[in-house]
Amino acid sequence: GAVVSQHPSWVICKSGTSVKIECRSLDFQATTMFWYRQFPKQSLMLMATSNEGSKATYEQGVEKDKFLINHASLTLSTLTVTSAHPEDSSFYICSATPWRTSGGAINTGELFFGEGSRLTVL
Amino acid sequence: KNEVEQSPQNLTAQEGEFITINCSYSVGISALHWLQQHPGGGIVSLFMLSSGKKKHGRLIATINIQEKHSSLHITASHPRDSAVYICAVKGRSNFGNEKLTFGTGTRLTIIP
Repeated sequence: GAVVSQHPSWVICKSGTSVKIECRSLDFQATTMFWYRQFPKQSLMLMATSNEGSKATYEQGVEKDKFLINHASLTLSTLTVTSAHPEDSSFYICSATPWRTSGGAINTGELFFGEGSRLTVL
Repeated sequence: KNEVEQSPQNLTAQEGEFITINCSYSVGISALHWLQQHPGGGIVSLFMLSSGKKKHGRLIATINIQEKHSSLHITASHPRDSAVYICAVKGRSNFGNEKLTFGTGTRLTIIP
């Protein structure tokens, strides 16, 4: 089945540094990917919608200059947490819906999630 | 009131019991997803529904569009079913990449 790979799965960094998280669709193209943040024992919160070849759409309250999103190809979106602070420590996860699979199917509507990235900022 | 509400929030049951998790939503939707999140954080999509009923192994998902309600059932529950189950709905759009609205999740614990 379709797979979304997210890397790194966990990262520890010092306050003030930047961290890049990659979300890659391995066997399908995705014109849109979604980035979520999840705090302990809470549900997923959509941060932004990553659009291939154009600017990301951020949800209200999410700082676009702090959470930089780049969707440079149909299979890769990156989230960069800039000047990270301890309050940015969270579980970040991406999702993608196949626009076109390796078998040729178009816009199946199915949803695939990355494995998630646990960020700890010291 | 949240657009997507799940019940119960927490559920503990004995191995073998029949499990039902409910999801109610207040908006028009094009599809509803049931997701499973394991303690490590990874999320798997169990079902995508727009009408009727789907079955996969011991899992059954139903949706009633008129009543804006969906249920996830687990038959012959097993400790490995212990996870957080999340209901998520996709709004109506012509573009096919609409964002999801999530329920708060149901934490299921199956005791051996």
